[in-house]
Amino acid sequence: EIVLTQSPGTLSLSPGERATLSCRASQSVTNNYLAWYQQKSGQAPRLLIYDASSRATGIPDRFSGSGSGTDFTLTITRLEPEDFTVYYCQQYSTIPRTFGQGTKVEVK
Amino acid sequence: QVQLQQSGPGLVKPSQTLSLTCAISGDSVSSDTATWNWIRQSPSRGLEWLGRTYYRSKWYNDYAVSVKSRISINPDTSRNQVSLQLNSVTPEDTAVYYCARRDISGCFDYWGQGTLVTVSS
Repeated sequence: EIVLTQSPGTLSLSPGERATLSCRASQSVTNNYLAWYQQKSGQAPRLLIYDASSRATGIPDRFSGSGSGTDFTLTITRLEPEDFTVYYCQQYSTIPRTFGQGTKVEVK
Repeated sequence: QVQLQQSGPGLVKPSQTLSLTCAISGDSVSSDTATWNWIRQSPSRGLEWLGRTYYRSKWYNDYAVSVKSRISINPDTSRNQVSLQLNSVTPEDTAVYYCARRDISGCFDYWGQGTLVTVSS
């Protein structure tokens, strides 16, 4: 199975700053079938990005994804107060589907 | 608008069977583009995909190796819902369980509200 490793575990930033989250795969993710989700406390994950760089419906353009192969990045250009929460990457190129362990973005 | 409404008990005794249901509105369990998945989340295991069912002229299932001997995911076309059964549970199966639709893009675009299932006597 593809193991996804996210870094850092916690990112301490201030509102308005830029956040850069990393997701590294143990093997190449075919067709860049990688997604990013946001999860707020007590809620289900919410799809942000699919196919590594395509924004899901209704997602603000301050969220962007990039990368290919084994290295992927989620960038939040200017952090809004509601962006301080946990983010997960997930691959859908192979079964089983797997998730990273998450990156928490917290207020500095 | 797709909605997934989960139901089922929040407490299960060790060695018994965990059973959850996910009622689908706004789509069909027999869709030929979607798959219907169960995912769980716990502090120790993170987000863990358990398995899926889907219809492509006939019904298919895929399951995670970690639960393959104990799990069953079944569609109910008359009620437009999908069920999860996990047998012989232990405290390690304590988690929030989610159903989720995988759409044509390949990702999980709609999720149920989540059900906290605690395995305890």
